[in-house]
Amino acid sequence: EVQVLESGGNLVQPGGSLRLSCAASGFSFSTYAMSWVRQAPGKGLEWVAGITGSGNNAYYADSVKGRFTISRDNSKNTVYLQMNSLRAEDTALYYCAKYGYHVNSALSGDHWGQGTLVTVSS
Amino acid sequence: QSVLTQPPSASGTPGQRVTISCSGSISNIGTNTVNWYQQLPGTAPKLLIYTYNQRPSGVPDRFSGSKSGTSASLAISGLQSEDEAAYYCAAWDVSLSGWVFGGGTKVTVL
Repeated sequence: EVQVLESGGNLVQPGGSLRLSCAASGFSFSTYAMSWVRQAPGKGLEWVAGITGSGNNAYYADSVKGRFTISRDNSKNTVYLQMNSLRAEDTALYYCAKYGYHVNSALSGDHWGQGTLVTVSS
Repeated sequence: QSVLTQPPSASGTPGQRVTISCSGSISNIGTNTVNWYQQLPGTAPKLLIYTYNQRPSGVPDRFSGSKSGTSASLAISGLQSEDEAAYYCAAWDVSLSGWVFGGGTKVTVL
């Protein structure tokens, strides 16, 4: 059974940093791309970042480019999201999702975690 | 403002057919496949349709997708009360090198 579990969400001040983790199991982790998708309170879904199975290529939404970094440790079946220079508008529930063989594969987002809450406020 | 445009709401009575539209551009829907996700209240999104009209195992065949040009549609036939949820379309955008989502459509079963 595929499982995805996010952790690391917290309350952080504007300008601060936070690292989210996503532990996955039940599939050949290094074969699949992974992505982070966020949802601000009462709002829709926003794709944040994606990384290939090898970890060699990463992609970002313009809203986080230069501030967020996605990475993965295939020996630990874990993907990370390092978030720096956080802003109030980054406040959201952050989901981790299993994507396809490539970040832009059609069969993407077939398994999601339950999310971890990031609140940016003074 | 979302890159993909969806109506904010749709509704129908049990048994009816409801259709949700998703409008994009040549750089996303016009070039790549479209996925649809269902998000029940208080839960994580669930993949409903991929590659325009393919359903992952376990998704009822009441759900179907289609694409024409730079627009896509999700149809729910035989609407049921458990279909009350938010539905999102998504596509890879070659200009942005990233996924873009629609703003979501809240389906209400009357």
